[in-house]
Amino acid sequence: GEDVEQSLFLSVREGDSSVINCTYTDSSSTYLYWYKQEPGAGLQLLTYIFSNMDMKQDQRLTVLLNKKDKHLSLRIADTQTGDSAIYFCAESMAQAGTALIFGKGTTLSVSS
Amino acid sequence: ETGVTQSPTHLIKTRGQQVTLRCSSQSGHNTVSWYQQALGQGPQFIFQYYREEENGRGNFPPRFSGLQFPNYSSELNVNALELDDSALYLCASSLDSNSVEAFFGQGTRLTVV
Repeated sequence: GEDVEQSLFLSVREGDSSVINCTYTDSSSTYLYWYKQEPGAGLQLLTYIFSNMDMKQDQRLTVLLNKKDKHLSLRIADTQTGDSAIYFCAESMAQAGTALIFGKGTTLSVSS
Repeated sequence: ETGVTQSPTHLIKTRGQQVTLRCSSQSGHNTVSWYQQALGQGPQFIFQYYREEENGRGNFPPRFSGLQFPNYSSELNVNALELDDSALYLCASSLDSNSVEAFFGQGTRLTVV
């Protein structure tokens, strides 16, 4: 079945890079996503990558995709305290293009 | 701001009751998806509506139902509420069912007692 796995916690110091990892199971997923959720808020789309790409860079964010290993990562450069949040990896479902399967989320804690 | 609004923000219901949650999508967005996010978990896909028809469903029982209206609003109805239905319910709108991006509302926090 379809499943997305993430590590639950990551703690970094301000100014360091953060790397959040994710594995997924559905090789037919067209897009893979990273969402951010702050306390008491909805989901904010950070970035996404098409399944035939290896890498996508967007300002401080770099997404790496290893399709063979079904591994996705999100690197945040120069991490700030405002980056503290829960980060969700998601894959698109085959049955409905914009329907997503989410991981359980990685809580990123940034200390100054 | 995503332009997607949900109401109410918080709700308390008793086990066995019925509840209706509402979502107002961005104008022109023909697709809305609903998700259930239990505490400490990722969102789980409930179903998706495209042009007022159900267009995909996750692993949720029939007591979870929906409606989508021509004015870009939609509803999630849950009958016979159970304690495990307590969660944050999120709606997400997109231009159509094959769009890359979906825009999420802030969610409705439902507590079943």
